[in-house]
Amino acid sequence: DAKTTQPPSMDCAEGRAANLPCNHSTISGNEYVYWYRQIHSQGPQYIIHGLKNNETNEMASLIITEDRKSSTLILPHATLRDTAVYYCIVRVAQGSRLTFGEGTQLTVNP
Amino acid sequence: NAGVTQTPKFQVLKTGQSMTLQCAQDMNHEYMSWYRQDPGMGLRLIHYSVGAGITDQGEVPNGYNVSRSTTEDFPLRLLSAAPSQTSVYFCASSSLAGGLGGETQYFGPGTRLLVL
Repeated sequence: DAKTTQPPSMDCAEGRAANLPCNHSTISGNEYVYWYRQIHSQGPQYIIHGLKNNETNEMASLIITEDRKSSTLILPHATLRDTAVYYCIVRVAQGSRLTFGEGTQLTVNP
Repeated sequence: NAGVTQTPKFQVLKTGQSMTLQCAQDMNHEYMSWYRQDPGMGLRLIHYSVGAGITDQGEVPNGYNVSRSTTEDFPLRLLSAAPSQTSVYFCASSSLAGGLGGETQYFGPGTRLLVL
């Protein structure tokens, strides 16, 4: 699975959009981009994933660049409960292991 | 559905003791896995299974054994606990039927283990 690079920490004001970047310059054509988050002391929670096209669900939007070498997770209206470590992971299809890096610690401030 | 459940929530062991961490899921998922998470670090894969009777090693398998006799259960055994195994252990499961990239992994609440 391709390696990812994320900033170690970010801050965001409550109610504003949080944009979390991820670089995955060695991604292969059959690898998906996944985002998980981990709120303190809890198990990781799936957020969203995509292959080529931008994706949106009730939690977030995922913007993948045309060359697929980077992506951005967008939380449109961050709340205090969105404070967590966010992991960007690239992987091949079903059944393959998730390789967690150190992620980005997002702190949403009141 | 209860999802993924783990027991116990907390455990203190002495060096050399053995124990089994339990993991169960009620979603009929084929794929199950165990991770450990040390303070300030990401999760590392210990062992995983793609179905009953099939297991394989992850990144950090030494000191741990697993078996998968049923679809629902995937216990993790510490053979002889060491202080280096102090960590938080997470179990996860997912379906293999979701199509290419279509499945997501569901994580349990974790077991916090302290080895003295």
